[in-house]
Amino acid sequence: NAGVTQTPKFRVLKTGQSMTLLCAQDMNHEYMYWYRQDPGMGLRLIHYSVGEGTTAKGEVPDGYNVSRLKKQNFLLGLESAAPSQTSVYFCASTPPGVGYTFGSGTRLTVV
Amino acid sequence: LAKTTQPISMDSYEGQEVNITCSHNNIATNDYITWYQQFPSQGPRFIIQGYKTKVTNEVASLFIPADRKSSTLSLPRVSLSDTAVYYCLVGDSLNYGGSQGNLIFGKGTKLSVKP
Repeated sequence: NAGVTQTPKFRVLKTGQSMTLLCAQDMNHEYMYWYRQDPGMGLRLIHYSVGEGTTAKGEVPDGYNVSRLKKQNFLLGLESAAPSQTSVYFCASTPPGVGYTFGSGTRLTVV
Repeated sequence: LAKTTQPISMDSYEGQEVNITCSHNNIATNDYITWYQQFPSQGPRFIIQGYKTKVTNEVASLFIPADRKSSTLSLPRVSLSDTAVYYCLVGDSLNYGGSQGNLIFGKGTKLSVKP
């Protein structure tokens, strides 16, 4: 039982490049989330999904897109990376009524 | 969504009991209180959740007064490994992911445990 797995763990992008972060969970959770964490800022919600085929915007959605084609996977895309998107990205999942399970994070640097 | 206020940082020594208080004056009837722990370079980890009075598990206790406008996370006999950031969140845990259910993480309380 792996829980929530994020790939890749580290990535360096050049400004304007695109990439996709993958989040996979094997707990059959309905809800999945993408957060970003910047120094001194806590975690801020980017996008979330309440089920397969659904997505919704969170607190800081600009510059990101997401897809939930399969229940176990939640993808976060950056179409044209900017230095302001340098951050640590965390994925989380939960069934209704209990706490989040987080992945170990993806450290992204945009130069 | 209920806003929470908690101290930015706290210091303690090994073996002491640590109490971290969180204020949530606008908590709603359906809201639960949840605490998470985050170590550097890791995602937050669920510690404890409660609705009222007292909840205890193998890691911590959560005290919630009758008016539910605040809550206190109690860590008994802390060790160096308890050094982490602790987040207090308030939200409708039965509706996670919905428009009323997204939990907002603030900046948390950075607990430093010294030998």
